[in-house]
Amino acid sequence: KNEVEQSPQNLTAQEGEFITINCSYSVGISALHWLQQHPGGGIVSLFMLSSGKKKHGRLIATINIQEKHSSLHITASHPRDSAVYICAVRLRIDTDKLIFGTGTRLQVFP
Amino acid sequence: NAGVMQNPRHLVRRRGQEARLRCSPMKGHSHVYWYRQLPEEGLKFMVYLQKENIIDESGMPKERFSAEFPKEGPSILRIQQVVRGDSAAYFCASSPQQGVNEQYFGPGTRLTVT
Repeated sequence: KNEVEQSPQNLTAQEGEFITINCSYSVGISALHWLQQHPGGGIVSLFMLSSGKKKHGRLIATINIQEKHSSLHITASHPRDSAVYICAVRLRIDTDKLIFGTGTRLQVFP
Repeated sequence: NAGVMQNPRHLVRRRGQEARLRCSPMKGHSHVYWYRQLPEEGLKFMVYLQKENIIDESGMPKERFSAEFPKEGPSILRIQQVVRGDSAAYFCASSPQQGVNEQYFGPGTRLTVT
C-alpha cells in the first residue's frame, strides 16, 4: 500500500463544476503539498499545508491532521484547470524529501 | 527573480553513454532536491543536497547515479552508462533552507535513451 493515496485517479468535469480531489496518507507528516502538473510537464506548487485551510483564487485546500486526509477543491472549474494534481507529504521524522501520490488527472470540458 | 532553471530540457543518449543534467536553484536557495518521474508513474525522490553536501541520497540507485552541488555553479545529476530504463523526466526543486518550506520546481529534463 502506498504511503500517499489519491482519489479519484481520473476525473472529468463540465466547465463551471465544483471539483474535489482527495489525498490520504498513512504516516506522520510535518506538511502536505498540492502540486499541479500541466500537459507540458512543468510542476507548479499550489499549496503547502500544516493545518487548517488555505485559499488562493478558485482553489481551496484543507487538511485534517487527525484523520490524515487532505482535499483540494476547485470552484467554477475551467478548461485551463485541466492538469494532473499531485499530493505530496513531508515526513515528520525525516529529511525534507517529499513522498508523492500518483496524481489525479483532471479534464474540464467547455 | 528567475525561477529554478534546468538544462537541457530534452536530452537524447544512446545506451552506454553518460547523461549530465544541470539544475540552477532560485537565487538565495541553498537546498536542492532531485526527483524522477518514470513514464506513466508518479514522482519519486532521488537525492537532497545542500551546497557541497549530500544530505539524503536514499532514493538514488546504488550504481551509475551520482549528484553534486558545488560551492559555485549548478547542481549536477550524473548518470553513467545509461540504459533504456533511465528514460524519464528528471525534476529538480529548490528551497531557501531546511525545514518546512515550499519547494520550487524546475521545468524538468526529459531524458530519452535509445
